Amino acid sequence: DQQVKQNSPSLSVQEGRISILNCDYTNSMFDYFLWYKKYPAEGPTFLISISSIKDKNEDGRFTVFLNKSAKHLSLHIVPSQPGDSAVYFCAASAAVNDMRFGAGTRLTVKP
Amino acid sequence: DTAVSQTPKYLVTQMGNDKSIKCEQNLGHDTMYWYKQDSKKFLKIMFSYNNKELIINETVPNRFSPKSPDKAHLNLHINSLELGDSAVYFCASSQGASRRVQYFGPGTRLTVT
Repeated sequence: DQQVKQNSPSLSVQEGRISILNCDYTNSMFDYFLWYKKYPAEGPTFLISISSIKDKNEDGRFTVFLNKSAKHLSLHIVPSQPGDSAVYFCAASAAVNDMRFGAGTRLTVKP
Repeated sequence: DTAVSQTPKYLVTQMGNDKSIKCEQNLGHDTMYWYKQDSKKFLKIMFSYNNKELIINETVPNRFSPKSPDKAHLNLHINSLELGDSAVYFCASSQGASRRVQYFGPGTRLTVT
């Protein structure tokens, strides 16, 4: 059973515009959420995270929004840059040492 | 200055063989992990380990075993390799009471023929 779902396998946006990546989860015990970015032939790199006690966390061009009632989170990238082109994984954790990943969304930012 | 490193990067072997993948982290972290990324690209945790506790995902066959010679290393041993073991394996590490943010190695692509 996939507890973390990224229903869009790919997303294409124009440079300078906003990229919105979505993630849904089913386990109400998740209390910490993360986004990872992955380039080909590399491991996932931590991008940004949010605790369940918050509904928004911002770091530069990256903002994560959490809607607990809808069990939904999203990652906003503004403005998008070609270097942001990568696969983005949503992850959720219910406990220390535990993390569940979505299948990833491939973002392509066109110049 | 690689934080989490894995060797080898690619591994091609035949069914029935026994192989190992090595992982080292120089971050001073106290917990290490192994993940498997399957053909559908899902990343699934296999093990988490610190010097006190090994947590095994119950779906992992006992042909897979982690071995940690010290806090900076967590190697993955796989016995009697099967075709379905073909995947990319990632090592990761984390630190501290929260341990929520994990840092990943570059991955090892294992192909079993």
